[in-house]
Amino acid sequence: GAVVSQHPSRVICKSGTSVKIECRSLDFQATTMFWYRQFPKKSLMLMATSNEGSKATYEQGVEKDKFLINHASLTLSTLTVTSAHPEDSSFYICSAASGSRTEAFFGQGTRLTVV
Amino acid sequence: GENVEQHPSTLSVQEGDSAVIKCTYSDSASNYFPWYKQELGKGPQLIIDIRSNVGEKKDQRIAVTLNKTAKHFSLHITETQPEDSAVYFCAALLNFNKFYFGSGTKLNVKP
Repeated sequence: GAVVSQHPSRVICKSGTSVKIECRSLDFQATTMFWYRQFPKKSLMLMATSNEGSKATYEQGVEKDKFLINHASLTLSTLTVTSAHPEDSSFYICSAASGSRTEAFFGQGTRLTVV
Repeated sequence: GENVEQHPSTLSVQEGDSAVIKCTYSDSASNYFPWYKQELGKGPQLIIDIRSNVGEKKDQRIAVTLNKTAKHFSLHITETQPEDSAVYFCAALLNFNKFYFGSGTKLNVKP
């Protein structure tokens, strides 16, 4: 399968600071990238969908000003958690899909801890 | 939208036995059904998928079946091994590139 690299795998930050998570498709052009949040022992919750070069589409209940998503190229999307609070602590996962394929491939995930 | 239900939530089998996980979906327009395996602290890994024009697909010990009429699909793992222990998620693709996930099944294969 295709390779999606997510960085960092773990990050600890202080309350009030911002954290950026990167998602890269290494061997294909990702026209669409998805950002998910996963709580312990729960399924993946879609936060937003981003298409290269356009604004992200956020799911209901997800604050777009808090979770900034940028998809400036066909191989890179970033999620920035702004003014992070302890309740933002979670496992964030990206996935990438190419317009010519239906499969979506996931990154390794980022464990965010806000202290 | 789509609603994907997955059962069971936990499944414990003896090594060598078979495991079956079932999912149902609500929107008949869904046309692609992947299965993912997620190990602790890692992202989901695509293990097998099936498209709506196919009824069954097999890859070594893993198989997926799809019943479009009943709107359900299943994952079958034969000759289970301890390394198959993980959380498995089903998903359905509705519209273009919007995936809906099941709630997950924690599979425990006992040696």
